[in-house]
Formats: sequence, C-alpha cells, structure tokens
Amino acid sequence: DAGVTQSPTHLIKTRGQHVTLRCSPISGHKSVSWYQQVLGQGPQFIFQYYEKEERGRGNFPDRFSARQFPNYSSELNVNALLLGDSALYLCASSLEISTDTQYFGPGTRLTVL
Amino acid sequence: GDSVTQMEGPVTLSEEAFLTINCTYTATGYPSLFWYVQYPGEGLQLLLKATKADDKGSNKGFEATYRKETTSFHLEKGSVQVSDSAVYFCALSALNSGGSNYKLTFGKGTLLTVNP
Repeated sequence: DAGVTQSPTHLIKTRGQHVTLRCSPISGHKSVSWYQQVLGQGPQFIFQYYEKEERGRGNFPDRFSARQFPNYSSELNVNALLLGDSALYLCASSLEISTDTQYFGPGTRLTVL
Repeated sequence: GDSVTQMEGPVTLSEEAFLTINCTYTATGYPSLFWYVQYPGEGLQLLLKATKADDKGSNKGFEATYRKETTSFHLEKGSVQVSDSAVYFCALSALNSGGSNYKLTFGKGTLLTVNP
C-alpha cells in the first residue's frame, strides 16, 4: 500500500513569494497534519485537518494556511515567504481524528532565497 | 504545555555496541509515547510506540518502556548496526486543551552514527 505522498520534493523560492505544498494521505486515513522541521530541530506542529475542517493549529503566523479536500488530500499555503520559512515541511496522516498514531510522508524541502 | 527532552547528541558507537538514548516528557493527562527515526534526506518513520504506563514498545531490535513514575521513555538496542545510523526523535501525542485532536510534540532529535 502507498504511504503518505508529498509534492514537490524540493522547491526554491525568493522572499515575498507564495508557495503551495501538497499531500495525499494513506488510503483510508481521514486526518492530515502538517509540521515544519527546521534544520537540526524536531518537527513543529502547524495544522491538523479532519473532514475538511481545521481541528488544530500551532503557533504559526497567519501567512500559513491550509485546506483539506473531499478525497482527504491537503494543501499547505505560505504567503509572503521569509528566509526563516526555509525548512522541511512534513505531512502526516492518521486514520481518524481520535487516533494518536501519525504516519509521515517524505517531506518537501523548501528553500527561500 | 507539553514538552519532550531527549539526550543531546551526537552519539557515536561501534557496531554491536549497546545503545541508550534518554527521553523524558512533561504532559498533562496520559499521552502516548513514540520513537521516530529519520534517515538522511528522508521523512520520519515510526519506530515504536507505547500507549500506557509500563507498556513496552519494540521493533527491529529497539525497545522502550513507558515509565510514568519517572516520566521517561528511553530507547535501547542491544547491538547496533551501521544501518541504524540516523536521527532519532522521541515524541508524545496528547489531546489538545479542547479535547478535539491529537498533536505530536517532538524532542530535538539525537544523531546516532555507528561505525564498522
């Protein structure tokens, strides 16, 4: 069975631009979460979505937004990119909102110049 | 808020050596505990988990026991291999304050290098 997939693998943007990252969860999983991993640190929680609704949000500015589609895939959008947004963005899926175990995709490496 | 503190690395071992990576946590309620592993250039892979006190998670020769009295979840392996070289993350999963969803809180990670 396919795991969590993310696209693109790598992305290079300049300051002030906008970026959209995409995620497809494991088949049958209804909840998607997004994490930011800065080099040398552990992942930090950004959002969790379930049934197309935002169910949790971490301490990130409003430049970060996300949505979930009827097929449970998800997009993470970041506006007005800053150098500090350079990171590995990880998507994780879980079976239900009440499931404590999350499975991660390979990530999208975003570099902001 | 919830937090995870894990042993700072890097840790360098010879093949077949014994491994311990310490992890302690702070959380309200009763979190589930996890170890994830990240190989170079890849995402996180779930290594093992434990959901309640005294549970032992195990996988691929790695073990960790949920110790509520010491709020710890130390990772151990009796004999490491070169292929175990990676970054290891301890994490907890707990319901948010509204009780509506789980989120993972991670430690900073420990880089393990195993030499032949």
